[in-house]
Amino acid sequence: NAGVTQTPKFQVLKTGQSMTLQCAQDMNHNSMYWYRQDPGMGLRLIYYSASEGTTDKGEVPNGYNVSRLNKREFSLRLESAAPSQTSVYFCASSNLADTGELFFGEGSRLTVL
Amino acid sequence: AQSVSQHNHHVILSEAASLELGCNYSYGGTVNLFWYVQYPGQHLQLLLKYFSGDPLVKGIKGFEAEFIKSKFSFNLRKPSVQWSDTAEYFCAVNARQAGTALIFGKGTTLSVSS
Repeated sequence: NAGVTQTPKFQVLKTGQSMTLQCAQDMNHNSMYWYRQDPGMGLRLIYYSASEGTTDKGEVPNGYNVSRLNKREFSLRLESAAPSQTSVYFCASSNLADTGELFFGEGSRLTVL
Repeated sequence: AQSVSQHNHHVILSEAASLELGCNYSYGGTVNLFWYVQYPGQHLQLLLKYFSGDPLVKGIKGFEAEFIKSKFSFNLRKPSVQWSDTAEYFCAVNARQAGTALIFGKGTTLSVSS
């Protein structure tokens, strides 16, 4: 029972490089989310996808793009990484039609030099 | 827009002390309320949740929370903390309608000394 799987778990980038964080869930959830976690800031929503085929901006979308590839997968792309994007990124999924409870992946720690 | 405020940034307690972490939200409609916990080096896990019914909800590991609608509050409590409760605690809320995302507070770090 994998739940929510994120890759990679760790990544170091140079300023201006691009990368994609991958997320997959096997719980047949409709909704998927990307959050970033920074000390003293809690979790802030970057983008979310309420259902397959839709994506919406969250609180801090600048510098990111997302793709809801299918019901299982939701990727987050940094086109030109900046030091301000150094953070821990969490993917989550939920079935909003049910409880709205989120199930989280284990996180991806990204450092931008 | 919804927002969540957690009053305490860092709480330090001795084992067996009682715990209460404050959480207030701003939203005029019906909400779902959650407390999540993040142990050091781990991802977030659900402690408890409130959707409807009895405003006093019980979660895992002896935690409970009380929803007071008139105060827009959802405070987390535990009568006697243990060293293993050392973690970061997040209050979260979402509007009870399809397509709304969970909004988190900034978190409270709890340190319990043995």
